[in-house]
Amino acid sequence: GIQVEQSPPDLILQEGANSTLRCNFSDSVNNLQWFHQNPWGQLINLFYIPSGTKQNGRLSATTVATERYSLLYISSSQTTDSGVYFCAVELTTDSWGKLQFGAGTQVVVTP
Amino acid sequence: DTAVSQTPKYLVTQMGNDKSIKCEQNLGHDTMYWYKQDSKKFLKIMFSYNNKELIINETVPNRFSPKSPDKAHLNLHINSLELGDSAVYFCASSQGWPSSYNSPLHFGNGTRLTVT
Repeated sequence: GIQVEQSPPDLILQEGANSTLRCNFSDSVNNLQWFHQNPWGQLINLFYIPSGTKQNGRLSATTVATERYSLLYISSSQTTDSGVYFCAVELTTDSWGKLQFGAGTQVVVTP
Repeated sequence: DTAVSQTPKYLVTQMGNDKSIKCEQNLGHDTMYWYKQDSKKFLKIMFSYNNKELIINETVPNRFSPKSPDKAHLNLHINSLELGDSAVYFCASSQGWPSSYNSPLHFGNGTRLTVT
């Protein structure tokens, strides 16, 4: 079955709005990372967060490993936040170093 | 001063041809990867090398052959290209083995391969 599920698949926001993206995973993890793929196709690492909470500017992420989910918060969204957000996990039941990606959340921020 | 660079950016070729994509990283990382992103943007790992040693080899046709001459370089050679090989191929790197040692993954800008 699907081991990494992201929701929602699509999100349209007005500039200035806040939003939450979710990543559910099927087993315990060694490693969880969030990425942003911008409209030009570049993949940027946002967070390395197998557990706990981190913040970077308007973005923050929380992983609750015991409940097998992670959340990415975007506050005061800007048009430059548009793109696809991916969650990737390395399951403890899988090969070391093998990050599995979710299908992504496509975010469009309108002016 | 690009961290992970791959060439070429675009590759258009005909079925049956052989092509290579090159990747270099200047981050001093020990581990490098090839990922494939399909038309639905799904990203899947293909190969991983740590200090020139192959450590992850997913179910990939043997027409795909990675080569790591040193830990800063990982190239991908594809023989007898097929239409289904059309995708964006991303090189990535991380520090340490495995990537779970508190080391985020850094991606190159991708190579868009189109097979006609």
